Amino acid sequence: KQEVTQIPAALSVPEGENLVLNCSFTDSAIYNLQWFRQDPGKGLTSLLLIQSSQREQTSGRLNASLDKSSGRSTLYIAASQPGDSATYLCAVRRRDNYGQNFVFGPGTRLSVLP
Amino acid sequence: EAQVTQNPRYLITVTGKKLTVTCSQNMNHEYMSWYRQDPGLGLRQIYYSMNVEVTDKGDVPEGYKVSRKEKRNFPLILESPSPNQTSLYFCASSSSAGASDTQYFGPGTRLTVL
Repeated sequence: KQEVTQIPAALSVPEGENLVLNCSFTDSAIYNLQWFRQDPGKGLTSLLLIQSSQREQTSGRLNASLDKSSGRSTLYIAASQPGDSATYLCAVRRRDNYGQNFVFGPGTRLSVLP
Repeated sequence: EAQVTQNPRYLITVTGKKLTVTCSQNMNHEYMSWYRQDPGLGLRQIYYSMNVEVTDKGDVPEGYKVSRKEKRNFPLILESPSPNQTSLYFCASSSSAGASDTQYFGPGTRLTVL
């Protein structure tokens, strides 16, 4: 059974710092891994999607990497800003049942202090 | 504007009173899905649909029903709600089942069953 964990559960940093969020999964048979951002009272917004054949994706100050063999992904945020404060979730798309099932991690709650 | 909409956004009901949460997307997406989000448990997939008249169970389908009679709509039905179904519910959609397809989420429905 696929399980997804995220470390740390919560993180507080001063504005301007670079930071790394971690995501681990137990089964390497995945179609893709996606990072989301969730703001309080709102839905999830997709940040980056890495296909199983890819190693990393970049968007602005965000960089996500994927090491399928070790079951790990990291989300790197450069020069953090208070507006980055949110909960960050990773999710893997499983390959069983034609790869239609998604498994989410519990999230990392990030606070960026001005 | 491309979006996933859910109604209602907030609902308080009593045990046993049938209810339906609607979900609609305007992106002509084939794949749609329902999740519930609970503190400490994260997001868990309830049901998903690959296309019209094609639905399948996710990880926590007990107590829920879905239907997909039209491509744009994917309602979630609770025939006899119970207090353990109190949760935050999200609908999501994606273009298809491809490895590069991003999921788009609705704003969420907060359900309380008394």
